[in-house]
This record gives sequence, structure tokens and C-alpha cells, in this order.
Amino acid sequence: SQKIEQNSEALNIQEGKTATLTCNYTNYSPAYLQWYRQDPGRGPVFLLLIRENEKEKRKERLKVTFDTTLKQSLFHITASQPADSATYLCARGVAGTYKYIFGTGTRLKVLA
Amino acid sequence: DAGVIQSPRHEVTEMGQEVTLRCKPISGHNSLFWYRQTMMRGLELLIYFNNNVPIDDSGMPEDRFSAKMPNASFSTLKIQPSEPRDSAVYFCASTLGEATEAFFGQGTRLTVV
Repeated sequence: SQKIEQNSEALNIQEGKTATLTCNYTNYSPAYLQWYRQDPGRGPVFLLLIRENEKEKRKERLKVTFDTTLKQSLFHITASQPADSATYLCARGVAGTYKYIFGTGTRLKVLA
Repeated sequence: DAGVIQSPRHEVTEMGQEVTLRCKPISGHNSLFWYRQTMMRGLELLIYFNNNVPIDDSGMPEDRFSAKMPNASFSTLKIQPSEPRDSAVYFCASTLGEATEAFFGQGTRLTVV
């Protein structure tokens, strides 16, 4: 199946450290991947999009990489803050359609 | 624009009753999506529309679920009859096209007792 997988276990890190979240895919090559943030009781909010021909994309303290050999995207938050605590979702686009398929998300907790 | 607007925010209903969830997408967006989120299954795509036309409803769990988009500014997701296993948070999202960011509503938390 063409799933997109994220580590379902919560990630706890100390404030100021770099948080790294993983998104893996198998049996296909997505044209692009997106990352979203979701806070409790709210809908997901878009953060970054990276295309298959891009190795890396940055936005302020956020960095996303796309490794088509490893079939993996990494999402980094540098100098993490307690306010970064949330669930982060990875999504893939389905070629030739408009639909996005989401992973189950990874809950990040940044400890003060 | 106020973003994607969903109503109601919370819905509690008895098993067997009809439930209708509503969504107003962002003006100018041409794709609309209905998702369901649970702890066990995460965010599942139920159906999506492009230019008000249903394109893919393969995620709709069964015939009890139906969705309509009568015009570019309004969509409904109906469950009839509702069952306890339909309890979840239902999200509506809209986009401007392929490979663009999806804007989500606040969701409707449905509880079927």
C-alpha cells in the first residue's frame, strides 16, 4: 500500500535542542511532501512543502529535507521552545489528483 | 477572509439519528476536502471535490455517509443513520489547487451515544 508513516511515539526534548521528526513512505515516489502543525482542539496548520527535486527547504527555525533514496523526509525545529509543543503531521500529494494523504502524526513536547 | 468555517463545533446525537456537518471553504478555493480524525486511524480523507464536483469518495466508509457541494461556498457531510463508531472529529479543508497548502477548519467533534 502507499502509506505514509510517522513515528507514533511522542518525542520529548529539552528546550533549546533541535527536534527531528521523521516521515517515511514506501512503494511510491511522492512528487511532494507537506508538513503541518496541529494543536489540541484545532485543525492542522500548514508549515512547509518540499518537492522531490528539492533536497532541503527552510523557514525561520524550521528545516525540511527530502531523501528520495531513503524514501524519507526529516523535519527539524532548531532552538526548540515550549511553544513548539504540538503534533506534527506529514502529508503526501497523490500525483494527478488534488488529494493529500496524511500520516498519523508525531506529538512533540518541548520541556522548559 | 475568515478561513474555513465549520458548523457545528460540537454535536452530540443518539444512535440512529441523522447528522449534518457544514463547511464554508475559503472564497476562491477550488478544492474542498472532508477528513475524519480519530486517535486510532489519524486523519483519513473521506471525499474531495474539485470545482464543486465530487472527484474521489473512496474514503467514505459506507453508504450511511454522503456529501454534497451545491455551490462553491458550501458543502455538507451527512451521516444517516449515525452509529457510535462514527464518533470522531470531522475536518473540512480547502485548497487553491494541486501542491498548495490546505487550510483546515476548526473541526466538528461528533459524539454518537
